[in-house]
Amino acid sequence: QLQLQESGPGLVKPSETLSLTCSVSGGSIGSDTYYWGWVRQPPGKGLEWIGSINYSGSTYYNPSLKSRATISVDTSKNQFSLKVSSVTAADTAVYYCARLTIQRYFDNWGQGTLVTVSS
Amino acid sequence: DIQMTQSPSTLSASIGDRVTITCRASQSISRWLAWYQQKPGKAPKLLIYKASSLESGVPSRFSGSGSGTEFTLTINSLQPDDFATYYCQQYNSPPWTFGQGTKVEIK
Repeated sequence: QLQLQESGPGLVKPSETLSLTCSVSGGSIGSDTYYWGWVRQPPGKGLEWIGSINYSGSTYYNPSLKSRATISVDTSKNQFSLKVSSVTAADTAVYYCARLTIQRYFDNWGQGTLVTVSS
Repeated sequence: DIQMTQSPSTLSASIGDRVTITCRASQSISRWLAWYQQKPGKAPKLLIYKASSLESGVPSRFSGSGSGTEFTLTINSLQPDDFATYYCQQYNSPPWTFGQGTKVEIK
């Protein structure tokens, strides 16, 4: 059974870089059938897709983050990671990692991790 | 970007009711639409993909329909476990976008 688990600091200072890792178990990240992505949800609000990556490192991002997001993959560790630079309070959210099918809907999700941006 | 608009934002219903949630896209997305259920403090869970295909393990009381710009999620005979927030998501063209959510509450 596929499982995804986010990890990383729960508190980040304004203007710094948010860094999260998603560890995948029960399946290989090195499959050309799937993409792997990040979705965030500000407290009490809706879902926003951040970006996605495949096993070979091909990425695409939501332009709403204005090039502040970077996603990378480490197939040797079966992990992928997210960095968001120059964070502000507006980046405070629960961050989910998820698997995307070849059609690009999300069929498996991590439990989510709350990241708060505050000094 | 394709905007997804759900209605209503909140819905009050009783156990056993038939519930319908609507999702409208700002342009045609063919049938490239998914529905998710989210409970408080939990990750979203995939219910339906390609507008009407039921994800494995999802109860058959959930169904989806529609194409183009208008879609519906129907829950037949609402159960206690179904009180949650529901989101639609288009995957016709990036950026993948979600509706704002519909909260199904107990009447």
